[in-house]
Amino acid sequence: DGGITQSPKYLFRKEGQNVTLSCEQNLNHDAMYWYRQDPGQGLRLIYYSQIVNDFQKGDIAEGYSVSREKKESFPLTVTSAQKNPTAFYLCASGGFEAFFGQGTRLTVV
Amino acid sequence: GDSVTQMEGPVTLSEEAFLTINCTYTATGYPSLFWYVQYPGEGLQLLLKATKADDKGSNKGFEATYRKETTSFHLEKGSVQVSDSAVYFCALEGAGSYQLTFGKGTKLSVIP
Repeated sequence: DGGITQSPKYLFRKEGQNVTLSCEQNLNHDAMYWYRQDPGQGLRLIYYSQIVNDFQKGDIAEGYSVSREKKESFPLTVTSAQKNPTAFYLCASGGFEAFFGQGTRLTVV
Repeated sequence: GDSVTQMEGPVTLSEEAFLTINCTYTATGYPSLFWYVQYPGEGLQLLLKATKADDKGSNKGFEATYRKETTSFHLEKGSVQVSDSAVYFCALEGAGSYQLTFGKGTKLSVIP
């Protein structure tokens, strides 16, 4: 089955720690995206990548980092510099039509 | 820049009621327009889309028409079901861009 997979579904992090969220797709898409979702705020773009080894900041990139070493993978690291990391994170891939993963809910404890 | 404004929720309807969720947009050129649906605890799924003025997107009984003159893409369904309870997002993709701009979402609850 083709699709986009995020892991883990739930993630807990202590303050001051970095944490990496996984996103893998087997749809052969060049473009991949990371969004953050907060209640009442819709989706906000963190980072996106249109090709391997290249990525650009979105609207709220501060405190986050990404890499794109393989076409299939676009991991997101939430660093300790992110002041309010508790949120629901969504990964997507595609060109004209975006396909979304099931999301990772990150909670800082 | 591009922006999407959709009606705030939550919206609560009885089963078989008529649904309208308003969506208007601001964009240069001719964007593509989308409605996505998010069921509880899940990611977003594409519900329908339209790529040019006067196009009507439709899926699962939902419809939306791309109105260039009013910069709108309102979502409608003639008879909602309990299973339609979800959050609905209007989105646009600017001409020549692969980035989506989302509205804030509208939560729909359908009661039996």
